[in-house]
Amino acid sequence: QSVLTQPPSVSAAPGQKVTISCSGSSSNIGNNYVSWYQHLPGTAPKLLIYDNNKRPSGIPDRFSGSKSGTSATLGITGLQTGDEADFYCGAWDSSLSAYVFGTGTKVTVL
Amino acid sequence: EVQLVESGGGLVQPGGSLRLSCAASGFTFSSYWMNWVRQSPGKGLEWVASIKQDGSNKYYVDSVKGRFTISRDNAQNSLYLQMNSLRAEDTAVYYCTGNLAYWGQGTLVTVSS
Repeated sequence: QSVLTQPPSVSAAPGQKVTISCSGSSSNIGNNYVSWYQHLPGTAPKLLIYDNNKRPSGIPDRFSGSKSGTSATLGITGLQTGDEADFYCGAWDSSLSAYVFGTGTKVTVL
Repeated sequence: EVQLVESGGGLVQPGGSLRLSCAASGFTFSSYWMNWVRQSPGKGLEWVASIKQDGSNKYYVDSVKGRFTISRDNAQNSLYLQMNSLRAEDTAVYYCTGNLAYWGQGTLVTVSS
């Protein structure tokens, strides 16, 4: 049972922008850093955003992260067919003493 | 180049045991929290366990507490997951990850009779 809620799917045409929301609580997003991951099943997940809004080396600036209160958002601009994947938010949950992932969002490029 | 290579997965009967290993290279293993994350068929990512750099702190998801043990050998740049009393719901691809930044390709564990 995930404590971070994401929309099941989002879609847009190539070149457009999508945003993915991640809703949590004060024990996770509200008081800890949020990360975002891109995952194609059967492959290694990839870290896209850490510490709410930082991008690891090699991640293009088309990917952005933000956080407000107990929610976080991933933005993807200039959508490409290669962006089709499952995206997950994640954060440490201080009450559970556990790391929690979001429910996951499938991005489809129309 | 960072590499994390998992091994030890396979088919095991319910109630059985498996030990997963992860060989790390290309980064300072002893400086990183290490984790196991899994994905069951048709489901999302699930964090399983974490271990601090020196092994002094360990955390587990509730569903594996008392059955799984995470450990590491910094001299060998290796991470382990001892899995006992396996259940059908433990069937998943298990990923080794450093700080949740570096990820391996995963190893499949299937629990079935």
